[in-house]
Amino acid sequence: EIVMTQSPATLSVSPGERATLSCRASQSVGSKLAWYQQKAGQAPRLLIYGASTRATGIPARFSGSGSGTEFTLTISSLQSEDFAVYYCQQYHDWPPITFGQGTRLEIK
Amino acid sequence: VQLVESGGGLVQPGGSLRLSCAASGFTFSSYNINWVRQAPGKGLEWLAYISATSTTIFYADSVKGRFTVSRDNAKNSLYLEMNTLRDDDTALYYCARDHLPIFGVGSPFDPWGPGTLVTVSA
Repeated sequence: EIVMTQSPATLSVSPGERATLSCRASQSVGSKLAWYQQKAGQAPRLLIYGASTRATGIPARFSGSGSGTEFTLTISSLQSEDFAVYYCQQYHDWPPITFGQGTRLEIK
Repeated sequence: VQLVESGGGLVQPGGSLRLSCAASGFTFSSYNINWVRQAPGKGLEWLAYISATSTTIFYADSVKGRFTVSRDNAKNSLYLEMNTLRDDDTALYYCARDHLPIFGVGSPFDPWGPGTLVTVSA
């Protein structure tokens, strides 16, 4: 089973600033990596797949990078609606499909 | 494109429950579907996968032998039969569609339903 590890657990950033979230896989997942945003009381929403492709309707301030075992989600200029929990997911080697434990992005 | 879960509720340990997921807005019979759960205040746990034509089914070890996933393409519906429920099965249960209608490869999930809450308690 591929273990996904996200860091940091909590990130405090001011609106308008850049946020950088990390995700590491215990073995290579190629580019089969997705990022999700989950706001309180809502289901997860797909942001990025294929490590760097934005899903339909996702603003350009969200970008993904990386391959193999190291991945990054960058939010270039934080808006108030971006404060949420973010999860990475690998879909390279499955079953099982595995998720990271999440990074909570909070207002500084 | 929409998925809506139902069937959650309070059940005693050792009991059973059947969840449903109603799909609309897309060709249900072309897509693989997954069940994912989230315990209160915790992260996401993938539980089960069923291919578009039900020919391939996978389960997480945590539910294998206790949960059964099925679908009825004529009714645009997905099901999760849960038996021998335990306290640690308490969670919000989501159905989530594979992003693309492709068989045999891993996929991100999009969209997700809003979830249905299952509480296992005496």
